[in-house]
Parts: sequence; structure tokens; C-alpha cells
Amino acid sequence: DTAVSQTPKYLVTQMGNDKSIKCEQNLGHDTMYWYKQDSKKFLKIMFSYNNKELIINETVPNRFSPKSPDKAHLNLHINSLELGDSAVYFCASSRTGTGGSGANVLTFGAGSRLTVL
Amino acid sequence: KNQVEQSPQSLIILEGKNCTLQCNYTVSPFSNLRWYKQDTGRGPVSLTIMTFSENTKSNGRYTATLDADTKQSSLHITASQLSDSASYICVVIGFSGGYNKLIFGAGTRLAVHP
Repeated sequence: DTAVSQTPKYLVTQMGNDKSIKCEQNLGHDTMYWYKQDSKKFLKIMFSYNNKELIINETVPNRFSPKSPDKAHLNLHINSLELGDSAVYFCASSRTGTGGSGANVLTFGAGSRLTVL
Repeated sequence: KNQVEQSPQSLIILEGKNCTLQCNYTVSPFSNLRWYKQDTGRGPVSLTIMTFSENTKSNGRYTATLDADTKQSSLHITASQLSDSASYICVVIGFSGGYNKLIFGAGTRLAVHP
């Protein structure tokens, strides 16, 4: 009954490979996100999908491509992996709305640690 | 430039003691501010949500304050427990292009020792 689940939890791969990380949420949220947490623990947004439409793409290299087959899924595909891509990638979801209560509260997955050798 | 700065970067306290974490932001326009707790190896979990009109909000042993004039927030932890050891992340929500935009601080890493 996990709310936001992402797989795999750990991924070790060689430079130049292509890999995907999958994310699913069962909260009925309408917005999903991918964040990258670097070695300094900064959480940086990569993508945001609202009702299957991309609304934020924070200057992420085009080697990263989000794929959202439906509102409950947002997968992250990475081409030609580089050493600098090593990080923990977090998927999150939220219900959009105005005001402070409930809306826009992010529920995070457990993270996927990617190591590029 | 929208920024969120947290201090201290790391903190060590003894079990049972209190502590206060700080968050300063320059995000404008401002919608609300959230504190998240991130245990090692896990995703962040929401602790409190502060809107523009709220000055103080408590969630158990956690009390958050917000001064929208000085753009400062604090998270006070009372009677700390070993399970409080985690990173605490301040997130400020502003507006950009008609959508809410979340700006994350780098977090404060708290270690509670017995």
C-alpha cells in the first residue's frame, strides 16, 4: 500500500548506458515530479507533470526524458549516462490547488540511488 | 533570485535537549512554507505547512514559526529523541508562470546522541 513507489532502489551502471527509473503513485494526485539530490543534499527539481503535461523542465539535459503514460505514473529515462548523473533521484506527487492546506504537499518516494562508473 | 537558506548546516545535540533550526528565504511572491523531515535513505516527509497569515504552528514536539516581514522561519524541536536524527528541509512555495514553484533549502542535518 505504498503511496509513491519507485524502482529500482539502487542502480549501478557504466558510462554511456541508457537506463530508466519507474515511479507510480496511488494517491490520486494530479501532479508528479522528479527531483535530483546531489552529494551536497540539495533537492533540485527536474520535471513536473500535471495531468500528463510537462509544466516545468528546469534546464535538464535532453539526455533525461520523462515519460508519463497516465496520471499515476512518471518514468525517468536517461540516455548516455555520465559520471555526473550519479545521485539519488526522488519521485514525488501532489494534488494541485491554491492555499496552504493539503494542496501542493509533496509525497516523496524512497529514492533511487544511481551510481555511474 | 529565489533562494532558501538554512542554518546551521549540521547540528549535534544530546537526547532530551531542545534545538532550533533556521530558514531564511527571498522567494517572491510567497505562497506558503513547509518543513520536511528526511530520514537517511528515505524521501522527505512533510512536518508543517505555514501560510502567510500564520505565525506559529505545532505538530507534536515540533513547532514552526514564520515571520513573513523578515522572511524567516524556524523549526523548534522540544525534548529531542534519537529518532529525530534526520535532515530537516525548508521548502518555500512561490508563483512562477501561473504555477506554484517549490524552492528547496539545502537542509540542516540533525544528530541526536544518547
